[in-house]
Amino acid sequence: GENVEQHPSTLSVQEGDSAVIKCTYSDSASNYFPWYKQELGKRPQLIIDIRSNVGEKKDQRIAVTLNKTAKHFSLHITETQPEDSAVYFCAAGFQKLVFGTGTRLLVSP
Amino acid sequence: SQTIHQWPATLVQPVGSPLSLECTVEGTSNPNLYWYRQAAGRGLQLLFYSVGIGQISSEVPQNLSASRPQDRQFILSSKKLLLSDSGFYLCAWTGLAVSGANVLTFGAGSRLTVL
Repeated sequence: GENVEQHPSTLSVQEGDSAVIKCTYSDSASNYFPWYKQELGKRPQLIIDIRSNVGEKKDQRIAVTLNKTAKHFSLHITETQPEDSAVYFCAAGFQKLVFGTGTRLLVSP
Repeated sequence: SQTIHQWPATLVQPVGSPLSLECTVEGTSNPNLYWYRQAAGRGLQLLFYSVGIGQISSEVPQNLSASRPQDRQFILSSKKLLLSDSGFYLCAWTGLAVSGANVLTFGAGSRLTVL
């Protein structure tokens, strides 16, 4: 089955800096790669996703890149703000999604 | 528009007691339904998923079971809870997959504490 690894587990940046979170997956059949943001005590919320026929996707300050050959994908957040502080999860799959272990992002003012 | 409801939001149960968590989806038909569990400070573990009434796939052997008695209803159960069953349980749904996976949307979650 699919196995997703996510790094780093924690990430601290200064406001205005960029943040990068990386994930690798194992199943070449996976064709959907979403990223979720989870604030404390809340449900995960989709922030951006990418499908296997696309290499890069951008939405304002966030972007995701996908390298299918190497089986890895990354989340990029530019001009970070304190409200970006949360836990971020990557996921990979086809009919069902397998999630990474999460990255706790802390943005300091 | 589609909405997903999950209840109860919180519950505290003694070890050995039964469990029933319920999830319903409105505004769509024949959704794929999922139960995930999140232990404190941990990631999201897929427990069960269902592509139709009475069709349940179990991802990990455990003390839990799932049922789908109606198209938009998904129930997570246990006959006897263990301490290790404590966690944040999330129901989720996706629409019909035409090609590849569709967007996964989570319910608000049920926080279970087993004492």
